[in-house]
Amino acid sequence: QVQLQESGPGLVKPSETLSLTCTVSGGSISTFYWNWIRQAPGKGLEWIGHIYYNGNTNYNPSLKSRVTISVDTSKNQFSLKLGSVTAADTAVYYCARGWAEFYFWGQGTLVTVPS
Amino acid sequence: DIQMTQSPSPVSASVGDTVTITCRASQDISNWLGWYQQKPGKAPKLLIHGASNLQSGVPSRFSGSGSGTDFTLTISSLQPEDFATYFCQQANSFPRTFGQGTNLEIK
Repeated sequence: QVQLQESGPGLVKPSETLSLTCTVSGGSISTFYWNWIRQAPGKGLEWIGHIYYNGNTNYNPSLKSRVTISVDTSKNQFSLKLGSVTAADTAVYYCARGWAEFYFWGQGTLVTVPS
Repeated sequence: DIQMTQSPSPVSASVGDTVTITCRASQDISNWLGWYQQKPGKAPKLLIHGASNLQSGVPSRFSGSGSGTDFTLTISSLQPEDFATYFCQQANSFPRTFGQGTNLEIK
C-alpha cells in the first residue's frame, strides 16, 4: 500500500517561501500524478497543482504565479514551493496521488503564516 | 473554473437512517466526479470515483449516482463512524475543484 508523508516547516514568515516535501513509500513515484492540495482552517479543499514523474506540471491559475512543484525520482519525493506567502496561505497542506480523483493522501501538515 | 455546489449542509440524521447528499456542477462534467469523507484532523478518504464506482475497501452502504451536472451520494443504514464531512470533486477539467463540504451530524 502506497503511503505519503509531508514534511517541512510549520511556520513561515510573511513574504517568504513555503517549502514542503512529500515522501512516497510502498511504491515508485515513477508512475501516476502527484498533487498538492490545501485546506485553510475550517474551510474547504483547494487543489494547488500536480506533477508527473517526468516533470510535467499543471497548476491552479489562482496560485500559478507563486507555485513551483518539482520531483526527485531518485529520492521518491516531490516538493512544493509557494512564494510571497501571506496569512491567507495558512492551511493544512496535503500531498496526494491521482490524475482525476485522489486515491491516496498524506496525513497533512499545518503551515502557519502569521499576520 | 467549474464550481461545485453541495446541498444540504449540515445534514442531521440518526444511526440507521438513509441520507442523500447532492452535488451540482456549474457545467457538464460527464461522470468525472469523486466523493470523499473527511473526519476531524484527518485527510480526506476517497469513497466513490467516476461518479458511481465504489473505491476498494469502502462499505457497500455508500453509493453514488448521476452524470452531467447533478450527482448524489447516498449512505444507507448510517453507522456511527459515518458522521463526518463529505466533499465532492470534479475531475473533468483543470483546475480540479471541490464542493464546499456537507457536515453529516448526529440528530
